[in-house]
Amino acid sequence: AQSVTQPDIHITVSEGASLELRCNYSYGATPYLFWYVQSPGQGLQLLLKYFSGDTLVQGIKGFEAEFKRSQSSFNLRKPSVHWSDAAEYFCAVDYGGSQGNLIFGKGTKLSVKP
Amino acid sequence: DAGVTQSPTHLIKTRGQQVTLRCSPKSGHDTVSWYQQALGQGPQFIFQYYEEEERQRGNFPDRFSGHQFPNYSSELNVNALLLGDSALYLCASSPDLAGAAYNEQFFGPGTRLTVL
Repeated sequence: AQSVTQPDIHITVSEGASLELRCNYSYGATPYLFWYVQSPGQGLQLLLKYFSGDTLVQGIKGFEAEFKRSQSSFNLRKPSVHWSDAAEYFCAVDYGGSQGNLIFGKGTKLSVKP
Repeated sequence: DAGVTQSPTHLIKTRGQQVTLRCSPKSGHDTVSWYQQALGQGPQFIFQYYEEEERQRGNFPDRFSGHQFPNYSSELNVNALLLGDSALYLCASSPDLAGAAYNEQFFGPGTRLTVL
């Protein structure tokens, strides 16, 4: 079955430190890839997406992600974390461009130490 | 421009009851998708509505049904509620633009359903 794995349930980083959140998807045709952020009581906000082309994509709030086909990975990065980045982050894929049936990972909760 | 809105915000029901959740899509969007997010899990796709028809469906039982109205708003109905139906229900809307590489989904804040 198609799946998305986020190996880290909870990550704590110090403010100003760099961040990398991992995401792996099950092997298959290259899907459409997404990272969403969810703050408490909020819906999901799209950070960035990858469809094709340049494998390094830039998103909002200073986030970027790199698609690595050989590793079936789409890791999210940020050079310097701000306290306001504390939230839950979800990686999602859409196989075959179904444009609706997003498959989400279980999420990684990010805590930021002052 | 209002984004995706959902009502109610919170809801408490008992086992066996029925519930209806509502969603108004973002202006200009005609496609609505529903997701269930259990505690500690990522959202799971329930179904998608376009032109008042169910276009796609995830792995959910028939107790979960939906409807889309001519103004593109949508309802999610769940019958015979189970304890396991307790979750955050998210609605997402998107346009259906021919020729677009992808029609991005915009999510609402969700409805928190608690089944006792």
